Amino acid sequence: QQQVKQSPQSLIVQKGGISIINCAYENTAFDYFPWYQQFPGKGPALLIAIRPDVSEKKEGRFTISFNKSAKQFSLHIMDSQPGDSATYFCAASRVAGTYKYIFGTGTRLKVLA
Amino acid sequence: EPEVTQTPSHQVTQMGQEVILRCVPISNHLYFYWYRQILGQKVEFLVSFYNNEISEKSEIFDDQFSVERPDGSNFTLKIRSTKLEDSAMYFCASSWGPGANVLTFGAGSRLTVL
Repeated sequence: QQQVKQSPQSLIVQKGGISIINCAYENTAFDYFPWYQQFPGKGPALLIAIRPDVSEKKEGRFTISFNKSAKQFSLHIMDSQPGDSATYFCAASRVAGTYKYIFGTGTRLKVLA
Repeated sequence: EPEVTQTPSHQVTQMGQEVILRCVPISNHLYFYWYRQILGQKVEFLVSFYNNEISEKSEIFDDQFSVERPDGSNFTLKIRSTKLEDSAMYFCASSWGPGANVLTFGAGSRLTVL
């Protein structure tokens, strides 16, 4: 019930390509879905987040697609750049009633120059 | 840009020893958290802290763990008697509010238990 499943575990993309990372959750009480980006030696940093009242949110080259009925959400990185090479974590939480995030297992993205 | 500061960056300790990890959250944040990440695995919630008390904790946060905000700026995680399986990266985070508020993470403290 509390798990967030993330795939793929690792991803290699050519520069300029589209990177797609998928997550699925079980608990329908979750209503806040952030994506965090982590560079080696650094803590995770918020990249983009979505609430289930919208099906898509775009910020620059980063887009979250959300499918409430399937309990799935995904991160799309358009025009992927070598500087995007990092580990990406999806997470789920509730706007109210909890203080914790449930993180996915992470996707290590490598963008080739 | 404000940041969460953690010390030490790396600590090596013998099994059974006590360890204290320290964090300075962002100054106007009210909610404080510890998460941990075992090498190659997901980031796991340990505990949240608000108004000088624990607001939520996970099943990982057993009696050997404790948290404290001793002086209004520092936020500490104490592990009383370390075990090999406590080896992990420990992240402190803070936020202005709970739930959907943005968590700002520190760079982490790597704990190695021998």
